[in-house]
Amino acid sequence: KAGVTQTPRYLIKTRGQQVTLSCSPISGHRSVSWYQQTPGQGLQFLFEYFSETQRNKGNFPGRFSGRQFSNSRSEMNVSTLELGDSALYLCASSMGLAGGPTYNEQFFGPGTRLTVL
Amino acid sequence: TQLLEQSPQFLSIQEGENLTVYCNSSSVFSSLQWYRQEPGEGPVLLVTVVTGGEVKKLKRLTFQFGDARKDSSLHITAAQPGDTGLYLCAGLTGGFKTIFGAGTRLFVKA
Repeated sequence: KAGVTQTPRYLIKTRGQQVTLSCSPISGHRSVSWYQQTPGQGLQFLFEYFSETQRNKGNFPGRFSGRQFSNSRSEMNVSTLELGDSALYLCASSMGLAGGPTYNEQFFGPGTRLTVL
Repeated sequence: TQLLEQSPQFLSIQEGENLTVYCNSSSVFSSLQWYRQEPGEGPVLLVTVVTGGEVKKLKRLTFQFGDARKDSSLHITAAQPGDTGLYLCAGLTGGFKTIFGAGTRLFVKA
């Protein structure tokens, strides 16, 4: 079974630009969550999508947005990039269903390392 | 706001030593997970604990969930250099939201 894939793995942008990151979940998983990881703040939850709908949202500004497609693949967009957006962006997939914790065990992709200059 | 506090933040030990990492919260979680992350990679799930008081063993790693389901610990026996990494605990809420601790960075010296 293929794992979670994220593209691209590395990205360099300049302030003010926008960026789109992509995540393909494990086959059969309907939930995709996005996290930002920085040395100072740790893993911060951005949002979670389930069946094309945003189900949960973290405390990030509106410059961070996402969407999920009918095949469960997800994209995350950051507009008007700031230096502080430099981070490792991780996506995680799970079944996302009620019925027990194993349905919500998250499996992470390798991340996209975004550097904003 | 639900928070998970991990301690210690950093740990540097010699090969063969034992260690315990703690994960504490004032909130109750439906389950708690432990992950290990290596540099440049995503976290890898080690274990999920569900029942208060539950103990799970994975070779030299022992995970315990507190009776009140608010805290957890990870104990590593006879640490090896391959255990080096960032250990993260994560609590699952009833609303399908996962809260992560800040992590414990472990370095095991040969």
